[in-house]
Amino acid sequence: DSGVTQTPKHLITATGQRVTLRCSPRSGDLSVYWYQQSLDQGLQFLIQYYNGEERAKGNILERFSAQQFPDLHSELNLSSLELGDSALYFCASSVAPFSDSPLHFGNGTRLTVT
Amino acid sequence: GQQVMQIPQYQHVQEGEDFTTYCNSSTTLSNIQWYKQRPGGHPVFLIQLVKSGEVKKQKRLTFQFGEAKKNSSLHITATQTTDVGTYFCAEPSGGYQKVTFGTGTKLQVIP
Repeated sequence: DSGVTQTPKHLITATGQRVTLRCSPRSGDLSVYWYQQSLDQGLQFLIQYYNGEERAKGNILERFSAQQFPDLHSELNLSSLELGDSALYFCASSVAPFSDSPLHFGNGTRLTVT
Repeated sequence: GQQVMQIPQYQHVQEGEDFTTYCNSSTTLSNIQWYKQRPGGHPVFLIQLVKSGEVKKQKRLTFQFGEAKKNSSLHITATQTTDVGTYFCAEPSGGYQKVTFGTGTKLQVIP
């Protein structure tokens, strides 16, 4: 158990809808990362937060947004969903925002857009 | 953007054979990390390499960081079915705030 909690585990929704994915980092970790993994694909970096502030952005679509709250949990909002957004979304946390801190991943949220 | 190439993309080996995956970066790295993702699972941190030419071992796994700090390798000796999964290298980028993952090498071990 990595200590990172992601909910929900599965999400099935229709095109055009909006969903929110939730992540609670490991106790003591201040940094949260979001990654997208399509079927049999690699891990695409979306966005990173540290102590409530956005620190880095990857190839995140404008339809996607995220935030980190004062209690350090984070939410990833996906709107105007398209079939191509179907993927596994991972949240990871680390102690610090620097990349020499190992990432601890949650079990992911599997999003299916129909 | 930063390119993180990993080869091979797939590897099938007979149980007991050795396996190696390579990670190549277009830039000099401050450090590199390796992760393993079992089928249906999430990536799990294996190790971090920091120094030029560094070699670290974890039982049957040997990790190397190139002298120029632009490449790295993971070697598994005498593979077992428990080694099945996808191995990713991960590199810092974007001023150390972003961690970019390699394309991954999917390992299948035939019993």
